[in-house]
Amino acid sequence: AQSVTQPDIHITVSEGASLELRCNYSYGATPYLFWYVQSPGQGLQLLLKYFSGDTLVQGIKGFEAEFKRSQSSFNLRKPSVHWSDAAEYFCAVGVSGAGKSTFGDGTTLTVKP
Amino acid sequence: KAGVTQTPRYLIKTRGQQVTLSCSPISGHRSVSWYQQTPGQGLQFLFEYFSETQRNKGNFPGRFSGRQFSNSRSEMNVSTLELGDSALYLCASSSLLGGATEAFFGQGTRLTVV
Repeated sequence: AQSVTQPDIHITVSEGASLELRCNYSYGATPYLFWYVQSPGQGLQLLLKYFSGDTLVQGIKGFEAEFKRSQSSFNLRKPSVHWSDAAEYFCAVGVSGAGKSTFGDGTTLTVKP
Repeated sequence: KAGVTQTPRYLIKTRGQQVTLSCSPISGHRSVSWYQQTPGQGLQFLFEYFSETQRNKGNFPGRFSGRQFSNSRSEMNVSTLELGDSALYLCASSSLLGGATEAFFGQGTRLTVV
């Protein structure tokens, strides 16, 4: 069975600083990996996805993530954080051909002015 | 293209009652998945429907059930509500065409059981 670990429950960064959110996964085959963002009381919005190919993937809102098979990681990065990036971020692993995903527990990002 | 629509957005129910939540997926998407989100348990998978058939099921009691109609719209039902069923219920649709498994989420239904 697949699993996802997000080691950081809460991260605080200053506006303009760089950001890295960690994600480790466990899955027997090549995973389908996703990062989602959720604002309070809202649904989840897809930031980016990895299925295959280039291990550095670009997403919306200036986010990128790097797939490292040797480390079973899919960390999310942003070079300069904006106050509007404050939200909860979820890493997820999907199964080929199925709509089911397994989510990590999420990382809450606070942005200091 | 319209997104995933969940109705109602908010619900307050009493213990012991039952509730039905509705989800209209993105046009053309045939897979609909349901998730329960709570502060203590995070996002937990309930079930997935594809072409009116339940394909995957999470670890929830039989009080939680769902169905999908021929137009891909889905409903989930919770019977004999318990206080612990209070949660944000999220619906997600996927096309699954060409192996695309990313999910597009609705804004959720906030269920409060009193």
